[in-house]
Formats: sequence, C-alpha cells, structure tokens
Amino acid sequence: GNSVTQMEGPVTLSEEAFLTINCTYTATGYPSLFWYVQYPGEGLQLLLKATKADDKGSNKGFEATYRKETTSFHLEKGSVQVSDSAVYFCALGNTGNQFYFGTGTSLTVIP
Amino acid sequence: GAGVSQSPRYKVAKRGQDVALRCDPISGHVSLFWYQQALGQGPEFLTYFQNEAQLDKSGLPSDRFFAERPEGSVSTLKIQRTQQEDSAVYLCASSSTLQGASYGYTFGSGTRLTVV
Repeated sequence: GNSVTQMEGPVTLSEEAFLTINCTYTATGYPSLFWYVQYPGEGLQLLLKATKADDKGSNKGFEATYRKETTSFHLEKGSVQVSDSAVYFCALGNTGNQFYFGTGTSLTVIP
Repeated sequence: GAGVSQSPRYKVAKRGQDVALRCDPISGHVSLFWYQQALGQGPEFLTYFQNEAQLDKSGLPSDRFFAERPEGSVSTLKIQRTQQEDSAVYLCASSSTLQGASYGYTFGSGTRLTVV
C-alpha cells in the first residue's frame, strides 16, 4: 500500500540555522512526492514536488530530492527565517488520485 | 476564482445537528477532493469528483457523510447527525488535470467544524 512516515516534531530552530525534516515513503508503482506547508489558520500550500526518481524539487530556498533507493524525500533549507514557522507535510500521490499525507512536522524559528 | 474558497470558515454544531460545508473550486478545475484533518494529524482522503461524477468515496467514514457536485463546479459536503468525533478541519482541493495526484492540488483554507 501507500504511506508516508514523517519526522515528528515539534522542531525549534534559531534563525539562520539549517533545517532537515525527514520523510520516507512506501508505495506501489512510481509515485510523485510533495511537500506542503500550512501556516497558522490557513490551508495547505504546495511548497515543492518531484515526479520521478532523482528529481530535485525546490522553492523559496527549500529543497528535497526524490531518492528511490532509500524511499526518502527529506526537506532541507540552508538558513531558516522566522517567517518559515509553520507545519510541513510530506505527501505522496499515486494512481487513483488520492494523496497520502504524513502527520506533519511543526517548525518554530526563533529570532 | 483565484483560489479554492470554502465556507463557512468555522462551524459549531450541537451533537445530532446536520451541517453542510461548501467548496468553490478554481474555475474550470475538473477534479475536486475532500479531505478531513483531525487536530495534530495529516489530512485524510474522503472523496473525489471528476466533474459531476463522484468516482471515489472510499474515505467517507460513515453513511452520515454525503458529498455532491451536481453541476461539476461547487461541491457540498453534508454530515448528518453530527458526532463529537466529526470535529476536524474539512479541506477541499481542486486540480485542473485528471492526474492531480501526480502534479498536486490547490487547497482551500478549510472549514473548522466543532461538535459540542
């Protein structure tokens, strides 16, 4: 079946620190992988995606590489800002049009 | 419209009351999805429409949940005889393609339902 396991939070970092949020997946076939971000009181926003193995998705300084050999899609950012404080969800999209989400990782960045 | 619009943003219902949650997808988007997000959890799939056809309702938790999209645009999620375990944020998403799971959806801000 399809599932996503995501690093549990909460994560608290100082501004300009390096961020890694781990995500691993289980899937049949060849899924697409996504990171969504949810700011307080708002809906989910697509942060980045990768549709095949070895693809790197990137946006707003965030990056994630689709690693088929390790079934991983870890989110990284070199220097976080206070405005990056949010909940981050790793997700998998496969045939059947469903998304499978991880449980979310809450990030707080302190000045 | 510019984004996926959901109403109301907040809904408080007494246990046993019926509720209706509305979703206005992005104009022209053929695919529409409903997800349920419990507190501190990731969203979980409820149902999927392609235009007016409900192609997958495997995630609806009980027969108290019903969704429709009669003209292939606006959708309504109805919950009858609400229970406390129905308290959650209900998210609507839409996609311009039939392969939304491969390319990503656009989500609305959600309706937070609290059953008291």
